[in-house]
Amino acid sequence: GQNIDQPTEMTATEGAIVQINCTYQTSGFNGLFWYQQHAGEAPTFLSYNVLDGLEEKGRFSSFLSRSKGYSYLLLKELQMKDSASYLCAVLDSNYQLIWGAGTKLIIKP
Amino acid sequence: IAGITQAPTSQILAAGRRMTLRCTQDMRHNAMYWYRQDLGLGLRLIHYSNTAGTTGKGEVPDGYSVSRANTDDFPLTLASAVPSQTSVYFCASSDSMTHTQYFGPGTRLTVL
Repeated sequence: GQNIDQPTEMTATEGAIVQINCTYQTSGFNGLFWYQQHAGEAPTFLSYNVLDGLEEKGRFSSFLSRSKGYSYLLLKELQMKDSASYLCAVLDSNYQLIWGAGTKLIIKP
Repeated sequence: IAGITQAPTSQILAAGRRMTLRCTQDMRHNAMYWYRQDLGLGLRLIHYSNTAGTTGKGEVPDGYSVSRANTDDFPLTLASAVPSQTSVYFCASSDSMTHTQYFGPGTRLTVL
């Protein structure tokens, strides 16, 4: 079966760094996406990784290890507006996105 | 129009009624998708369309139907609504090069 695991909830402090992990087992792999979703809003695209390594985009970075079936999203210099759910999704062999249940990130002042 | 629009924003519906959720995109994306999102379950794919004129079933298609008469529109119909279809429904589209999905604002549907 296809499975994506990520923690249900995490708490971090404003100004700090947080790492959100995602592990996956899917039928084929054509890339991994991270999306941000604020409460009551639609998911918005953050990053895409298809090769191993780290992709940096401002305060956000995403890492992929295909051999380990593992990715993480790193958020630096946390701001209150980063309070949201972060969704990990894998593009499978049929080019369909398989979604994790999301990680709710709570930022405390 | 910029991106993807959905209508209505929210709706309360009596069980047994028929309901069509509308979705329109102006990005000329080939692929479109309908998801439902329930607390703790994440996004679940209902139906998809890889190109105009074709549709496919996702993970939870029962009780729903779709059509794709043209590139821009992808309506989702509930033939006879049931309370378990109470959810937030998101429409999305993607291009065939990057496969990045872009989402509409969602429709919050309550079936009583």
